Amino acid sequence: GEDVEQSLFLSVREGDSSVINCTYTDSSSTYLYWYKQEPGAGLQLLTYIFSNMDMKQDQRLTVLLNKKDKHLSLRIADTQTGDSAIYFCAVPEGSYKLIFGSGTRLLVRP
Amino acid sequence: EPEVTQTPSHQVTQMGQEVILRCVPISNHLYFYWYRQILGQKVEFLVSFYNNEISEKSEIFDDQFSVERPDGSNFTLKIRSTKLEDSAMYFCASFSGSSYNSPLHFGNGTRLTVT
Repeated sequence: GEDVEQSLFLSVREGDSSVINCTYTDSSSTYLYWYKQEPGAGLQLLTYIFSNMDMKQDQRLTVLLNKKDKHLSLRIADTQTGDSAIYFCAVPEGSYKLIFGSGTRLLVRP
Repeated sequence: EPEVTQTPSHQVTQMGQEVILRCVPISNHLYFYWYRQILGQKVEFLVSFYNNEISEKSEIFDDQFSVERPDGSNFTLKIRSTKLEDSAMYFCASFSGSSYNSPLHFGNGTRLTVT
């Protein structure tokens, strides 16, 4: 089955860029997703990218996809303290279910 | 924007008791899911439900778990005899099924605490 891996922790200074990385194993996934989870809250869809794209930009968010290496990244420009959260990469498998990575905890220092 | 709603937001129960977690998916969605997140761990797939039956389930979803869509709007997860290790956040999700680019929409979750 699908396996999705992420680094567990990232700490950046406010105003810097953050880059959160994700690798996956199933190359047939057509869409790949990023979800954000704030403390004690649910899963908020941040953005997603279609597998025939290399890059997608949405305001401060940039998603890069390297399909050959099965590597997905999320870049947050001008990171703010409100961006502190856990970020999950998620890849579809089977009957439209999503397989989540372990999540990357982003800490933004003032 | 339509939302997936879950009730209650927090449920405390004693070990061995039955609990029912409730979800109202988005009204025109066809696929429904339950996921679980043990504190500090990854979000794990439990079960998917389509056309009034389970379409897929994980090995976590054993005989103690069941799902039901009792009417046209609710989707429930029942745990028959809760164990301490069932303590987790349970997320309901729904998907339209109309096109593969439509993401899963998640509810805010029910935090289940088994004492």
